[in-house]
Amino acid sequence: EIVLTQSPGTLSLSPGERASLSCTASQRVSGTFLAWYQQQPGQAPRLLIYGASSRATGTPDRFSGSGSGTDFTLTINRLEPEDFAVYYCQLYGDSPPWTFGQGTKVEIK
Amino acid sequence: EVQLVESGGGLVQPGGSLRLSCAASGFTLTTYWMLWVRQVPGKGLVWVSCLKSDGTTTMFADSVKGRFTISRDNAQNTLYLQMNSLRAEDTAVYYCARGGFYGSIDNWGQGTLVTVSS
Repeated sequence: EIVLTQSPGTLSLSPGERASLSCTASQRVSGTFLAWYQQQPGQAPRLLIYGASSRATGTPDRFSGSGSGTDFTLTINRLEPEDFAVYYCQLYGDSPPWTFGQGTKVEIK
Repeated sequence: EVQLVESGGGLVQPGGSLRLSCAASGFTLTTYWMLWVRQVPGKGLVWVSCLKSDGTTTMFADSVKGRFTISRDNAQNTLYLQMNSLRAEDTAVYYCARGGFYGSIDNWGQGTLVTVSS
């Protein structure tokens, strides 16, 4: 079973700054099946990025995804107030078919 | 517009049963993989179960295998999760979700809270 480890656990930044969130897989994976989600308090997750780097419909272009192999990154340029939330990476694989990282909270400094 | 609306959550005693429903609109269940994902309040997301678009394949997390079943009513365009022999550790918000491109999850319901407690 592949484990996804996200770091840091919490990122304290100010609006306008850049956020870099890391997702590391326990073994080499295909970026084709790596996605990122944003979750606001009390809300369902929302798909941001799929295929490691493709923005989902409605995702602002300040969000970008990159990476390959075992290391993937979600970058948020110029943080807006609505970007402060929890972010999850997710991998589609064999068993289990859907695996999530433990999340990174981006909080206002 | 795609919508997923869950219902059926609530308080149940350990060993009891609940059936969650997910009414889908804006698309047809028979054309997408459908999933259930749960989240203990304040914790992370955990995949629970899925149903293939053609209805031939179901899968379950080890933690619920043998206790939960997933099914759908094509006429009602509704997905179900039957949960039996419930345990305290099944307490969570349960989300109904739709499989998207390359194994992503492109639409989520609002979630329904299941509390297993005596």
